[in-house]
Order: sequence, then structure tokens, then C-alpha cells
Amino acid sequence: KAGVTQTPRYLIKTRGQQVTLSCSPISGHRSVSWYQQTPGQGLQFLFEYFSETQRNKGNFPGRFSGRQFSNSRSEMNVSTLELGDSALYLCASSAGTSGSEQYFGPGTRLTVT
Amino acid sequence: AQSVTQLDSQVPVFEEAPVELRCNYSSSVSVYLFWYVQYPNQGLQLLLKYLSGSTLVKGINGFEAEFNKSQTSFHLRKPSVHISDTAEYFCAVSGAVGGQAGTALIFGKGTTLSVSS
Repeated sequence: KAGVTQTPRYLIKTRGQQVTLSCSPISGHRSVSWYQQTPGQGLQFLFEYFSETQRNKGNFPGRFSGRQFSNSRSEMNVSTLELGDSALYLCASSAGTSGSEQYFGPGTRLTVT
Repeated sequence: AQSVTQLDSQVPVFEEAPVELRCNYSSSVSVYLFWYVQYPNQGLQLLLKYLSGSTLVKGINGFEAEFNKSQTSFHLRKPSVHISDTAEYFCAVSGAVGGQAGTALIFGKGTTLSVSS
């Protein structure tokens, strides 16, 4: 069974630009969650999508958005990038039921200059 | 609101020594508890989880954790560590975020385990 894949793995952007990150979940998983990991703030929950609907949202500004497609693949978008958006963005997929294990991808390392 | 506190940011130990990584959680509802490990430049891997039932949970790589409801703790232990256990360990709780049900994970700040010979 293929794991969670994220593309691209590394990305360098300039302040003010926008970026789109992609996540392909494990086959059969309907839930995709996104997390931001930084040295200062640690791992923070961004949002969760389940069957193409945003089911849960963390405390991030509206510049961070996402969507999920009918095949459960998900994208997240960050507009008007700021230096503080530099982070490792992790995607996790799960069956979506309470307590179900989340399987993480390798992450996308975003650097904003 | 839920929160997770990992009491030690760094834990240095010698190879073959026992180790305990401490985790306390705060929640007003029933929770599911997890320990994840992250090796350098990699994503997170599940070590073990507590959903219900026996309070002693065994995971991969010889790790185990004990759920203590009265002390709201979920400490991770290993009786004998190896050099290869050097990594960052995260305790997490799953449950409602912002009042909405779901599978979102709330993580602690992490504990860096450094095993030396």
C-alpha cells in the first residue's frame, strides 16, 4: 500500500507570492489534515478535509486555505507569503473516524525569502 | 480546549539505559492519546496509541506508555534504548478543535531524545 505523498518536497518563494502544496493520501482514506511545523511554534494543526468538506480548522489567518478533490487528494494554498510562513508543511491521511491513526507524509519544506 | 505538555524538551541518555518521556494532557472530554516519532528530515511515525481499555499500551520498537486518567498523563517508556532511538518524540491528543468533532491532533512541543554510547 503506497504511503502519503507530498509534492513538491522543497520550495523557495519570495515574500508576497502565493504557493500551492499537494498531498495524495493513502488509498481509501477520506480524511486529509494539514499541519505546520516550525522550530518556535512546533506542530500546529491547520485544517482537516473529509469527503471534500472542511471539517475542522485551526487558528491560522485566512491566507491559508485548502481544498479536497473527489479522489481525496488535497491541496493547500498560502497567499501573500510572509517570512514567518517558512516551515515544514505536513499532510496526514486517515480513515476519518474518531481515534483513527493518522499517517503522515514526508512534508514540504517551504522557505520564504 | 485541549492541550498537551511535554515536560522535558531534551533527554540525554546512554545506550542500554531506560528512558521515560513525560506527557501531560488537558481535556474536558474523552480523548485519544498518541505518541509519534520524527527522525531528521522525515515525517511523523506512530509509535503507539491509547483509545480505550487497558491503560498500558505497547507500541513499536519496544516502546510502551501508560495512560493515567487521574494524573492526566501518558508517559512513554523504553527499558533499554539504542543509538537508533535518537529522534524527536511528540505526544498528541485527538479530539475536538474549536468545538467541532474530527480527528485533528493537538501536539506537545516535542522531546528530543539523544542516545549516546
